[in-house]
Amino acid sequence: AQSVTQPDIHITVSEGASLELRCNYSYGATPYLFWYVQSPGQGLQLLLKYFSGDTLVQGIKGFEAEFKRSQSSFNLRKPSVHWSDAAEYFCAVGARMNYGGSQGNLIFGKGTKLSVKP
Amino acid sequence: GAGVSQSPRYKVAKRGQDVALRCDPISGHVSLFWYQQALGQGPEFLTYFQNEAQLDKSGLPSDRFFAERPEGSVSTLKIQRTQQEDSAVYLCASSGFYGGRLQNTEAFFGQGTRLTVV
Repeated sequence: AQSVTQPDIHITVSEGASLELRCNYSYGATPYLFWYVQSPGQGLQLLLKYFSGDTLVQGIKGFEAEFKRSQSSFNLRKPSVHWSDAAEYFCAVGARMNYGGSQGNLIFGKGTKLSVKP
Repeated sequence: GAGVSQSPRYKVAKRGQDVALRCDPISGHVSLFWYQQALGQGPEFLTYFQNEAQLDKSGLPSDRFFAERPEGSVSTLKIQRTQQEDSAVYLCASSGFYGGRLQNTEAFFGQGTRLTVV
């Protein structure tokens, strides 16, 4: 069965410091992979996605993620965190289907809450 | 509208009451999803529509949950005889065609409806 693990429930970093949020997935083949961010009272916003090709993916707001097949990981990184990055971050996996899309549903991890110290 | 719109934003229901949650997807989006997000958890898939057809309802937790999308645009999630364990944020997402292919994984989320059952 597909699953997503985000090992860190809560991370605190200082403003300006680098950030890495971990994500491991379980899936029988190469999946679609995503990172979403959720601010309080807001919906989920897509930061970046991996479908195929280059394993280093660039996203919005200065985030990037690297797909490592051998480690079944898709960790999110940012070189310098801003106070406005404080939010909850969700990693998600979607199943591939032959027509190029997915079967429709995403499997989400439980999320990592990021706090930023001034 | 520009994004996925959900109403109401907040709903308080007495145990045993029926509720209806509405989702207005992005205009022209073929696919529509409902997710349930319990406190401190990631979103969990409930059901998926392609146009008016409900192709997957494997995530609906009980027969008290019912979803419809009769004209292939607006969708309603109905919960009958609400229970305290139904308290959660209910998220709606939609996606469409990209590059001529149905890319269900490019999901855009609404802000959600927070349901509290007392």
